[in-house]
Amino acid sequence: EAAVTQSPRNKVTVTGGNVTLSCRQTNSHNYMYWYRQDTGHGLRLIHYSYGAGNLQIGDVPDGYKATRTTQEDFFLLLELASPSQTSLYFCASSTTGGAGQNTLYFGAGTRLSVL
Amino acid sequence: LAKTTQPPSMEAYEGQEVNVSCSHTNIATSEYIYWYRQVPHQGPQFIIQGYKDYVVNEVASLFISADRKLSTLSLPWVSLRDAAVYYCIVTASNMGYKLTFGTGTSLLVDP
Repeated sequence: EAAVTQSPRNKVTVTGGNVTLSCRQTNSHNYMYWYRQDTGHGLRLIHYSYGAGNLQIGDVPDGYKATRTTQEDFFLLLELASPSQTSLYFCASSTTGGAGQNTLYFGAGTRLSVL
Repeated sequence: LAKTTQPPSMEAYEGQEVNVSCSHTNIATSEYIYWYRQVPHQGPQFIIQGYKDYVVNEVASLFISADRKLSTLSLPWVSLRDAAVYYCIVTASNMGYKLTFGTGTSLLVDP
């Protein structure tokens, strides 16, 4: 079973604060993703990456930066956190299999509260 | 990208078979159908995927209509552990890495 580990599991910060969410996968997957989940919206893709040093913009990127330092590690950065970024954040990883062959493995999530 | 429509909620008793439908009327020939589920306090988990006809694995089966506009996820003999939100996702094969999750179907299982 693929393993994706997120830290911290919970985080509280104040408006304007600087937050870094960490994600590590030990499955040798090429792709990594950051999603946020809010009631009524399902999961929305923030950023994703297909390898170290690569970054692709997702569907809701505003206010977020991300960096993929190694194949294993993907970070989500909120440099000026706002209350609208209070959410549950999920990291995921996947391989680059052929057509229809791409399963995402998710971490347990990080709950962020911006006061 | 094709949009999907699922019932917002369903309810079943333990031991029943549950069929969760998903409409994707604008599905393109390049698009595949994926199903994930999410139990409380966890990330989504892959269940099954398919392109046409019928797919089965150890967890569920997936029936796709001949015109591919409707798919049905079938869960045999549901238990309390199957209570979750079930997501139907349609995406192009060359964008399989970029899955867009909707709000899914919340399945409640009664003892």
